[in-house]
Amino acid sequence: GQQVMQIPQYQHVQEGEDFTTYCNSSTTLSNIQWYKQRPGGHPVFLIQLVKSGEVKKQKRLTFQFGEAKKNSSLHITATQTTDVGTYFCAGPDFTGNQFYFGTGTSLTVIP
Amino acid sequence: KAGVTQTPRYLIKTRGQQVTLSCSPISGHRSVSWYQQTPGQGLQFLFEYFSETQRNKGNFPGRFSGRQFSNSRSEMNVSTLELGDSALYLCASKIAGGYNEQFFGPGTRLTVL
Repeated sequence: GQQVMQIPQYQHVQEGEDFTTYCNSSTTLSNIQWYKQRPGGHPVFLIQLVKSGEVKKQKRLTFQFGEAKKNSSLHITATQTTDVGTYFCAGPDFTGNQFYFGTGTSLTVIP
Repeated sequence: KAGVTQTPRYLIKTRGQQVTLSCSPISGHRSVSWYQQTPGQGLQFLFEYFSETQRNKGNFPGRFSGRQFSNSRSEMNVSTLELGDSALYLCASKIAGGYNEQFFGPGTRLTVL
């Protein structure tokens, strides 16, 4: 079956350092969404990318969708303690019948 | 607007029992999806309902079922509970079908003893 893997699984950074999580799907995705889940919380939508090669920015966050629409990345510049949480990529399979979440990257920011 | 609400928030059951979880979507949202979140398997899609019809279904056994009412509220039922069903069950709503922003509820934490 389809798999959506994220690396790294865990990342500890000093406050002010940059952070990147990579998302790789075994098959082509029609679009990709990113969610953030704080400890003890529920996933919160961050952004959706639809076009091949698309890049979107939200303040310190930069999202990319790969040319082949099988991978994506999220880069955070100058992390802050408020960035702590698990970041998930997610998207529908090629049939559109199922929605897959990536394995997630847990970010810890050390003040 | 009020967010997605789920009841109950916590539930403890024993093996073999059945359970029903409830989800009230954001007003005006017609699509409701259910997910299971566990440390080992992560977030897994259970099913999606839109206008009272199941649109999509994940790879879960038939013990997991759901329905949606005319007011878009949804329920999820798990019969013959197993220890492995212990998880956080999340409901998410969106305006319509298709691939757009989902709003998640706080989840129901189910523990099966």
